[in-house]
Amino acid sequence: ETGVTQTPRHLVMGMTNKKSLKCEQHLGHNAMYWYKQSAKKPLELMFVYSLEERVENNSVPSRFSPECPNSSHLFLHLHTLQPEDSALYLCASSQAWGGGRTGELFFGEGSRLTVL
Amino acid sequence: SQELEQSPQSLIVQEGKNLTINCTSSKTLYGLYWYKQKYGEGLIFLMMLQKGGEEKSHEKITAKLDEKKQQSSLHITASQPSHAGIYLCGAVGGNTPLVFGKGTRLSVIA
Repeated sequence: ETGVTQTPRHLVMGMTNKKSLKCEQHLGHNAMYWYKQSAKKPLELMFVYSLEERVENNSVPSRFSPECPNSSHLFLHLHTLQPEDSALYLCASSQAWGGGRTGELFFGEGSRLTVL
Repeated sequence: SQELEQSPQSLIVQEGKNLTINCTSSKTLYGLYWYKQKYGEGLIFLMMLQKGGEEKSHEKITAKLDEKKQQSSLHITASQPSHAGIYLCGAVGGNTPLVFGKGTRLSVIA
């Protein structure tokens, strides 16, 4: 139990569906992250939010839309995805962001997404 | 951008044997993190190294940071089946977030 909870753990969706991944952290952290993990590739950073403001957006296709309504919750809204988007999506949080203060990242268990 | 190269990519060892995993950075390391991941699950933090020459141990796992070589090593002594998993190194540089290596998949056989 890392203090970061992701739901759902598994999601199967068609290319025309709209779904959302949810992440919640109970650690009082100020920064939250979405990472994508595909087979045989390094973890890819998608988005970073610090104090509910988006600070990083690593050229992620617009079919992925993040939302951070408060410092404890992070969503990833999905629409018109492609089969190559199938992957494990990991949420993480840290106490702070940037300036060498990022510190340890605490990860959730991940949401395994399959796009048919 | 910073890249991390891990070696070996996979490793199969007999229970009780020692092993070492290496992580080499393409740029200066400001902080090096080691995580362990069970297949299909989240990452569990193992330890963080910040200073050149720093060495940390947790149970049978020891990590060292060689700042000059821009490299870190993770050493497991007397491996056990519970050590099996994917080990990932992550590095942070200034204002950039953690970037990760591809991971080393460790299997421990009886």
